[in-house]
This record gives sequence, structure tokens and C-alpha cells, in this order.
Amino acid sequence: EAGVAQSPRYKIIEKRQSVAFWCNPISGHATLYWYQQILGQGPKLLIQFQNNGVVDDSQLPKDRFSAERLKGVDSTLKIQPAKLEDSAVYLCASSPPGGVVDTQYFGPGTRLTVL
Amino acid sequence: GESVGLHLPTLSVQEGDNSIINCAYSNSASDYFIWYKQESGKGPQFIIDIRSNMDKRQGQRVTVLLNKTVKHLSLQIAATQPGDSAVYFCAERDINAGGTSYGKLTFGQGTILTVHP
Repeated sequence: EAGVAQSPRYKIIEKRQSVAFWCNPISGHATLYWYQQILGQGPKLLIQFQNNGVVDDSQLPKDRFSAERLKGVDSTLKIQPAKLEDSAVYLCASSPPGGVVDTQYFGPGTRLTVL
Repeated sequence: GESVGLHLPTLSVQEGDNSIINCAYSNSASDYFIWYKQESGKGPQFIIDIRSNMDKRQGQRVTVLLNKTVKHLSLQIAATQPGDSAVYFCAERDINAGGTSYGKLTFGQGTILTVHP
């Protein structure tokens, strides 16, 4: 079974520029998550999708961050404009439908450096 | 607010020793806890989980202990190997948070485990 795919793996931009990350979850997984992981910290949930609908974006800085999952499969996360404090690893995770507990499978992440 | 934290940010052990990684949590409503292992350049990988109605659960070389009285979680790794070197995170799930029946995971800061051959 293929895992969660993310691209690019690394990105370096200057502040005020825009950037987009892509995620392809495990086939059949209905729930998709985007996390921000700042160096030395645990992942922090940015947004959670159930199929193509948003179920939790309470910690997403909506003035600059946006995410979409139009067809309920792939997802993109965008930052516009980027700030220095956005430097972090952006992790995508997915979990299968049904079940009582939330087993999340993580991708390798995209490391963003904002200069 | 909710928080999950670790007592020790780093832990160094010799190969073959047993390792104990600790975690404190503050949300008494959390009903499910997970330990993740994160190797450099990779996403977190599930290790073991435990529900709040249990106080101990064993896996292969790993044991998780839950003490709800003091809101404390620990991960024990037996016969630690160099391949166990990684950052370990505990995460708690509040079933009433978030927007789905899955609840919402909150991760702690992490402990760096280094195993010396």
C-alpha cells in the first residue's frame, strides 16, 4: 500500500512570496489533515477535511493560509504572503473512513524555509 | 487550554538498555493517547496507543503506561536499539473536540532519544 505522498520535499522562498504544497493521501482515506511542525515542537493541526468538506480549520491563519480538497482526494495548502514565522515542516496525514479511533498516517512533509 | 508536554526533552541511552519516555497531559477529557516516533526527514509513525479505560498496554518491545490520577503517560522501550533513535511524541485525543467523530489530536513537544552503540 502506497503511503501519503507530498511535494515538494523542500522549498525556500523569501518573505511575502507565495507557496503551495501538495498532498496525495492513501487511496480510500476519507479524512485528510494538514499540520504545521515548527522545529522542536509537535505537529499542530491546521485544517482537517472529511472528503472534500472542511470539518476543523480553527487553527488555520485564514488571512494568509488556504487549503482545498476539491475532489475529495488530493489537497493543496497555500500560503500567501509568507512570513518568517511560517518556516516549518508541513505534514499531511490521512485516515481511513469509519472506525472509532483516529489512526493517522503521515507523509514525509515539506520543509519550508522563509528568508 | 489543552496542552500535552514532556518532562525530558532529550534522553541518551546505551544499546540494550531500557528507555522510558514521559509525558504529562492536562485535558482530563482526553480518552485516547498515542505515541509516535519521528525519524529525521520523515513524518510521525504510529507506535502504540492506549484508551483511557486502560492503565497499561504492551506491544513488541514497547509498553505504554497511563496514570490518569496524575495525568501522566509513559513509553517504555525494552532493549533499546540504535534504530530506535528518533523524536518521540505523545498525543492525546479529545473525542469532543474537532468536527468529526474522530475527535482532535493534540501533540506534545517531543523527546529526542539517542541510542549509543
